[in-house]
Amino acid sequence: GAVVSQHPSWVICKSGTSVKIECRSLDFQATTMFWYRQFPKQSLMLMATSNEGSKATYEQGVEKDKFLINHASLTLSTLTVTSAHPEDSSFYICSAGAGVDYNEQFFGPGTRLTVL
Amino acid sequence: GQNIDQPTEMTATEGAIVQINCTYQTSGFNGLFWYQQHAGEAPTFLSYNVLDGLEEKGRFSSFLSRSKGYSYLLLKELQMKDSASYLCAVADSNYQLIWGAGTKLIIKP
Repeated sequence: GAVVSQHPSWVICKSGTSVKIECRSLDFQATTMFWYRQFPKQSLMLMATSNEGSKATYEQGVEKDKFLINHASLTLSTLTVTSAHPEDSSFYICSAGAGVDYNEQFFGPGTRLTVL
Repeated sequence: GQNIDQPTEMTATEGAIVQINCTYQTSGFNGLFWYQQHAGEAPTFLSYNVLDGLEEKGRFSSFLSRSKGYSYLLLKELQMKDSASYLCAVADSNYQLIWGAGTKLIIKP
């Protein structure tokens, strides 16, 4: 199957700093990537849909100025958590759409963010 | 609204069979997915059903009834490593995945 990587796999930062998370599709081109957030013992929550070369589509309740998404190429999307706070501590997972109409998603390994 | 329901937690014995149910109400339907997620890891793909019926893949099988808005994941010959959360997700009319909260499966020796 297709491979999606994420970097870093974990990060600890101080409150008020910004953190960038990269998501790469290694062996296929992904015109659409998805960013999820998952709090402990909860299911995945879609944050935004990222389309190459255009602005991301954010889900209701997700602040687009706080969670900056850039999808500059067919293999790379980045999520920047700006001015992070402890409540932003979570497991962030990206996935890349593949298959007809992107009905199959391949997940990256996830990034665990801890904000002190 | 859109809704995916699955049990919160199930317990089964090693070597046995377990069935995890999922019911859904979504705006449109473009397939149902089952994912396995171990604690602290990202989900991994298990199965995809878009037509009614049973899809078998090794120890795992997935069933779909579109008229009933119902699916189940069947796990046979349970192993300890099958202890994980199992997520049901439906692709709606816009091909956006709607996720269930997941079923935590506990396997006992």
